[in-house]
Amino acid sequence: AQSVTQLDSHVSVSEGTPVLLRCNYSSSYSPSLFWYVQHPNKGLQLLLKYTSAATLVKGINGFEAEFKKSETSFHLTKPSAHMSDAAEYFCVVSDQAGTALIFGKGTTLSVSS
Amino acid sequence: KAGVTQTPRYLIKTRGQQVTLSCSPISGHRSVSWYQQTPGQGLQFLFEYFSETQRNKGNFPGRFSGRQFSNSRSEMNVSTLELGDSALYLCASSLRLENTDTQYFGPGTRLTVL
Repeated sequence: AQSVTQLDSHVSVSEGTPVLLRCNYSSSYSPSLFWYVQHPNKGLQLLLKYTSAATLVKGINGFEAEFKKSETSFHLTKPSAHMSDAAEYFCVVSDQAGTALIFGKGTTLSVSS
Repeated sequence: KAGVTQTPRYLIKTRGQQVTLSCSPISGHRSVSWYQQTPGQGLQFLFEYFSETQRNKGNFPGRFSGRQFSNSRSEMNVSTLELGDSALYLCASSLRLENTDTQYFGPGTRLTVL
């Protein structure tokens, strides 16, 4: 069965410093992988998605993620954090049928000034 | 283009009651999925509908049901509510929900069961 593990439940950074949110996945097939962000009292917004094209995926707001099959990882990075990046981030894999998303437990990103 | 809308946004019910939540997808989208978000279990898939047919169902009891109408709007129903059903219920829509499709989420309905 497919699954997603987000390695950190909480990450704290200072404004202007790099962000790294770590995600490992397990899948018996070639997965589609996503990162979603959820701001307080808001719905989920797609940051980026990997669908077997380029392994380095660029998303919105300066975020990017690299798909590494050998390490079964899909870590999310951003060169310079902004206060508005403070939110909950979810690493997600689609099921084999492609009709359901399987979410990680989430990583809370805090950004201090 | 308007996003995914969900009604109502907040709902308070008591144990044993039933509840119906509504979701209107983005215009032109034919797939609608439902997810439950709780602090303990995180985000879990409930079910997905495409062209009025349920194509996939998550691991939830039969008290949770849904349907989709010909205009792609969807409803989910929870009967005999339990305290543990208190959650944020999220609806997502996509064009066809193939692997490359993006699912767009609504703001959710927050259900509180007393």
